[in-house]
Amino acid sequence: DTGVSQDPRHKITKRGQNVTFRCDPISEHNRLYWYRQTLGQGPEFLTYFQNEAQLEKSRLLSDRFSAERPKGSFSTLEIQRTEQGDSAMYLCASSPQGSGANVLTFGAGSRLTVL
Amino acid sequence: AQSVTQLDSQVPVFEEAPVELRCNYSSSVSVYLFWYVQYPNQGLQLLLKYLSGSTLVESINGFEAEFNKSQTSFHLRKPSVHISDTAEYFCAVRSNFGNEKLTFGTGTRLTIIP
Repeated sequence: DTGVSQDPRHKITKRGQNVTFRCDPISEHNRLYWYRQTLGQGPEFLTYFQNEAQLEKSRLLSDRFSAERPKGSFSTLEIQRTEQGDSAMYLCASSPQGSGANVLTFGAGSRLTVL
Repeated sequence: AQSVTQLDSQVPVFEEAPVELRCNYSSSVSVYLFWYVQYPNQGLQLLLKYLSGSTLVESINGFEAEFNKSQTSFHLRKPSVHISDTAEYFCAVRSNFGNEKLTFGTGTRLTIIP
């Protein structure tokens, strides 16, 4: 198992364009999380899934953001009509259910730059 | 809701000197506490965690943290730092009542001076 994978690692786009990030969690983990990290800040929670169900969404997740996990495996995070304020590192994490649920394993992140 | 305060945004320390990175939290319920480390150009890695039991927890690379409920603190310490400890350190808190969300502090950048 290679851990949590995120793609692409870097994305530069023009304001107004749509972007999509993909996250492949550790295969036996049924929980998947998205966080956003801006410069000088800690990661901020966006949303999380248990299997294919999206169980919680932060108010940071505006209607331009949508996350899916259609088959309970990989997840995508789409940002429509990007704005310069969307520039950040988007982090994905996964965890197993049960007593191990307390530990989140993070991917290396997808860095978005909106020009 | 929970919150985490890391008062020190940057901490420079000479190599082989001791270091303490401070973390205070706020919560109306019982919590789990974590320290994550982010090395340059890498993802967040779990350094250590407090779930229950002994209030002093240790990592494999010489860091330790002590949960102090009365002071709502979870400070991270190491008696002698190495160049390889240069990284950003994040304290995080999570309710133990089923709320799955981890709430992070703003991070402390530890710089080791040779």
